[in-house]
Amino acid sequence: DTGVSQDPRHKITKRGQNVTFRCDPISEHNRLYWYRQTLGQGPEFLTYFQNEAQLEKSRLLSDRFSAERPKGSFSTLEIQRTEQGDSAMYLCASRHRILDEQFFGPGTRLTVL
Amino acid sequence: DQQVKQNSPSLSVQEGRISILNCDYTNSMFDYFLWYKKYPAEGPTFLISISSIKDKNEDGRFTVFLNKSAKHLSLHIVPSQPGDSAVYFCAASARETSGSRLTFGEGTQLTVNP
Repeated sequence: DTGVSQDPRHKITKRGQNVTFRCDPISEHNRLYWYRQTLGQGPEFLTYFQNEAQLEKSRLLSDRFSAERPKGSFSTLEIQRTEQGDSAMYLCASRHRILDEQFFGPGTRLTVL
Repeated sequence: DQQVKQNSPSLSVQEGRISILNCDYTNSMFDYFLWYKKYPAEGPTFLISISSIKDKNEDGRFTVFLNKSAKHLSLHIVPSQPGDSAVYFCAASARETSGSRLTFGEGTQLTVNP
């Protein structure tokens, strides 16, 4: 399977705990995006990387959120001191440098109790 | 500020008939538009896209129409099949100014009845 993969698929945590999600993009794709989707809404942009450089962050990405892509391949998204409002589906997408379409992974469903 | 809007939360059609899903946008900087299909508990699946220099793009049963003056696009599925039942998202990007990040609509739940 050469698509975008995300791990874990589901995460249940207690409020105040830290969580980390991983995304592995399609191998030749140099751009990687993180989105968040809540019930009844479309995905909302969080941040994106071109290779290892984080080029843009949404104002939705509070100080408790941090993302990395250290070697320009996989990426991690960490949420510190989780809150119930962080409960959502976290989606990762990747894009080839010369194409415009983004391809999404299956998402990580986060539930904060 | 909802820059991309899908005003119909749901649509129901009979198998074999045409499904038309609509999308409106407000940001005149958007120059690329995409449609995604999403099943529950899965990520969005890319369907079809169109650049702002075109007004139509066709791929099999799927056709996207773009009306730039009205800031409106639509997805036509013909003939509709029960397997098309899913949530459809319209998305837009401004490739030169925003790194091609996507702005999504709220989605339309399509149900195709056998």
